[in-house]
Amino acid sequence: SQKIEQNSEALNIQEGKTATLTCNYTNYSPAYLQWYRQDPGRGPVFLLLIRENEKEKRKERLKVTFDTTLKQSLFHITASQPADSATYLCALDRSTDKLIFGTGTRLQVFP
Amino acid sequence: NAGVTQTPKFRVLKTGQSMTLLCAQDMNHEYMYWYRQDPGMGLRLIHYSVGEGTTAKGEVPDGYNVSRLKKQNFLLGLESAAPSQTSVYFCASSQGGTEETQYFGPGTRLLVL
Repeated sequence: SQKIEQNSEALNIQEGKTATLTCNYTNYSPAYLQWYRQDPGRGPVFLLLIRENEKEKRKERLKVTFDTTLKQSLFHITASQPADSATYLCALDRSTDKLIFGTGTRLQVFP
Repeated sequence: NAGVTQTPKFRVLKTGQSMTLLCAQDMNHEYMYWYRQDPGMGLRLIHYSVGEGTTAKGEVPDGYNVSRLKKQNFLLGLESAAPSQTSVYFCASSQGGTEETQYFGPGTRLLVL
């Protein structure tokens, strides 16, 4: 069955450093992958989408890579700030109209 | 625009009771989804709809029913609540089709005793 793995342990980094989160998947070849941010007590919010034929996508301080050979996506936040503290979810397209979500990785940026 | 709204925000039920969760969106989206989120399990799709009057089963549909009588509303029903249905429920909507991102509501926290 399709499976998505995100590091369940929280990632703690110092303000100003680059945070790197990992999303690994198995038994599937998604056409695209999405990253969402979720704050405590709130619903997920879309951040970035990257297609299978794209190696890298950037948006302001965010960068996503997609390696279909390794079946892995990396999500980077450069110059991290305490306001970036949240849980980050990756999601793959299961079909045209459905996504499958990972369990998320909690990021804590401390001053 | 309010985006996606959910009612209620929090509810406590006793085992065997029934309830309906309401989701509304004002973005004229075709697709709507109901997820549940449990610790360590991530978001799991319960049911979804690709248009007014349509519904389909997701990954964990047992114990739930849905209806999409109006394009802007998507209702999730629990006919006989069980403690295993204690969870946070999220509704989402999207325009549909390939690469469409989903817009989520704020969630409903449900506790079944």
